[in-house]
Amino acid sequence: KAGVTQTPRYLIKTRGQQVTLSCSPISGHRSVSWYQQTPGQGLQFLFEYFSETQRNKGNFPGRFSGRQFSNSRSEMNVSTLELGDSALYLCASSPVQGASEQFFGPGTRLTVL
Amino acid sequence: GENVEQHPSTLSVQEGDSAVIKCTYSDSASNYFPWYKQELGKRPQLIIDIRSNVGEKKDQRIAVTLNKTAKHFSLHITETQPEDSAVYFCAASIGGSGNTGKLIFGQGTTLQVKP
Repeated sequence: KAGVTQTPRYLIKTRGQQVTLSCSPISGHRSVSWYQQTPGQGLQFLFEYFSETQRNKGNFPGRFSGRQFSNSRSEMNVSTLELGDSALYLCASSPVQGASEQFFGPGTRLTVL
Repeated sequence: GENVEQHPSTLSVQEGDSAVIKCTYSDSASNYFPWYKQELGKRPQLIIDIRSNVGEKKDQRIAVTLNKTAKHFSLHITETQPEDSAVYFCAASIGGSGNTGKLIFGQGTTLQVKP
């Protein structure tokens, strides 16, 4: 089975712009979670989607949003980018909702200038 | 609130020695505890996990122990090899049907295995 894929792998944006990141889960996996990884804050939970519904959201401002499609692919959007949004954005997929193994994609490295 | 503390932040061992990384969680409802290994520039890889109805789990050179009463769990790597050098993250979540898969991560431990 192909692993979790994320596109694009690298992005450079300027402050105030918006960005959309995409995640395709492992075939058959229906749950997708997003995490932000920075050197200072580590890995922080952004949101979790299952069956096209957001099931949980982390402590991030409303500028961070996401959605899931009927084929389980997910996108996250960050509007009005700030310098502090520079990070590695990782998505993880798992077969079902709730604690089961989560498998990470390679991440999208976002740099905000 | 939910929190996972991980120690030490860095660990250096000689090849062949054992390495132990410890984590403490705050939410007593947590029942799923995975460990991830992240090599430089790569994605976190799940290496072992344990659920709260089990006290210990072993997979070749790695093992995880869980003490629910004390709310801590540990990763043990025996006979370390240079390829074990990476950042290791512990995590905790409240799992089960109808629950979220949200993972709360520790801050990570950079393990260096010297040849």
